Amino acid sequence: AQKVTQAQTEISVVEKEDVTLDCVYETRDTTYYLFWYKQPPSGELVFLIRRNSFDEQNEISGRYSWNFQKSTSSFNFTITASQVVDSAVYFCALSEARRGNTPLVFGKGTRLSVIA
Amino acid sequence: DTEVTQTPKHLVMGMTNKKSLKCEQHMGHRAMYWYKQKAKKPPELMFVYSYEKLSINESVPSRFSPECPNSSLLNLHLHALQPEDSALYLCASSPTGRGYTFGSGTRLTVV
Repeated sequence: AQKVTQAQTEISVVEKEDVTLDCVYETRDTTYYLFWYKQPPSGELVFLIRRNSFDEQNEISGRYSWNFQKSTSSFNFTITASQVVDSAVYFCALSEARRGNTPLVFGKGTRLSVIA
Repeated sequence: DTEVTQTPKHLVMGMTNKKSLKCEQHMGHRAMYWYKQKAKKPPELMFVYSYEKLSINESVPSRFSPECPNSSLLNLHLHALQPEDSALYLCASSPTGRGYTFGSGTRLTVV
């Protein structure tokens, strides 16, 4: 069975601080995909990144970076120099890649508040 | 067209009403999903359709009735709902497990 754990329920930082959101996952599959989504107060899920299980390269996109470590089953997300607009709920999610109709399994989410 | 369109965006219904939520995509994705999201909770899977056939039903009460009339359209028929069914209902589609496109959701309030 798949499981995604985001141990941090809420995080509050002051603008311009760096912040890391943790994600730990469980799966029996050797092929899987990991995702991060952002959900602002308006409700839509904004896709941030997808990583497949065979690609452990870290990725950087502007102020966002992701650290994928299979050895610890973690896929952590760092925001550098946080801004008020980063305030949102962030979800880590997992899907098995074997089947075409496999659903996405979400962690409980981390609510990030960036204070000006 | 790279979007999933959900209508209506907001819906208020009484407990005796019948209403439907609509989800549409024209990306050729053959898997479509309904998720329910309560406040301060993650999205929870309700149904999965694969090639227009229901493949997963996560023990959802029968007052929610999904329908997939064609490969582009997914409906969720609602009948005799309870106030605790008030939530954000999200539709998603995917070609495989590699990527998912979500609609902006329908915010449902049952009074």
